[in-house]
Amino acid sequence: QQQVKQSPQSLIVQKGGIPIINCAYENTAFDYFPWYQQFPGKGPALLIAIRPDVSEKKEGRFTISFNKSAKQFSLHIMDSQPGDSATYFCAAPQGAQKLVFGQGTRLTINP
Amino acid sequence: DAGVTQSPTHLIKTRGQQVTLRCSPKSGHDTVSWYQQALGQGPQFIFQYYEEEERQRGNFPDRFSGHQFPNYSSELNVNALLLGDSALYLCASSFRGTGLHYGYTFGSGTRLTVV
Repeated sequence: QQQVKQSPQSLIVQKGGIPIINCAYENTAFDYFPWYQQFPGKGPALLIAIRPDVSEKKEGRFTISFNKSAKQFSLHIMDSQPGDSATYFCAAPQGAQKLVFGQGTRLTINP
Repeated sequence: DAGVTQSPTHLIKTRGQQVTLRCSPKSGHDTVSWYQQALGQGPQFIFQYYEEEERQRGNFPDRFSGHQFPNYSSELNVNALLLGDSALYLCASSFRGTGLHYGYTFGSGTRLTVV
């Protein structure tokens, strides 16, 4: 049972473009929606997170947009750079301490 | 400030063997969770340890077991290895008091290859 569905699987964007990664969730009890960034050979690292009582959160060049009625949330990367090339995962909590992850989006930013 | 430390970084085992992976959590963290990440997939929750007890378990067979020590470090054991156990095994630590809302801290993982 897949509780968090992420798309696209891969994305290629030119430097300066705005990649958008989308996630859909099923469980309306979820109350926290983080995005993790993973570079090759490394573990995932928390990038940005949002609670469902706000519709948007910005941290630097990264923005989460949240649509509670559609049960969707998305990550936007402004002024993307080659150093942003990584795999991005959305996630949602199941219980107090466990995260359910999406399948990941491999993002490539071309110079 | 040391983050999460995992050892070994890479491991090759033969089908049917047993393996032990180790994790030292980030300073100040008391909870350790283990995840399996197959190639091209998101991490899948195996189990979580707090106060030296298994608190939650994902959909993994009993061949997967673990332990947490008084210093909060943890081990993941996998018996009777199958080819399908080949994956990156991630350890994530957190502080029980703040839960997920300050995020997990992941280690860099152990890449297990079963041949």
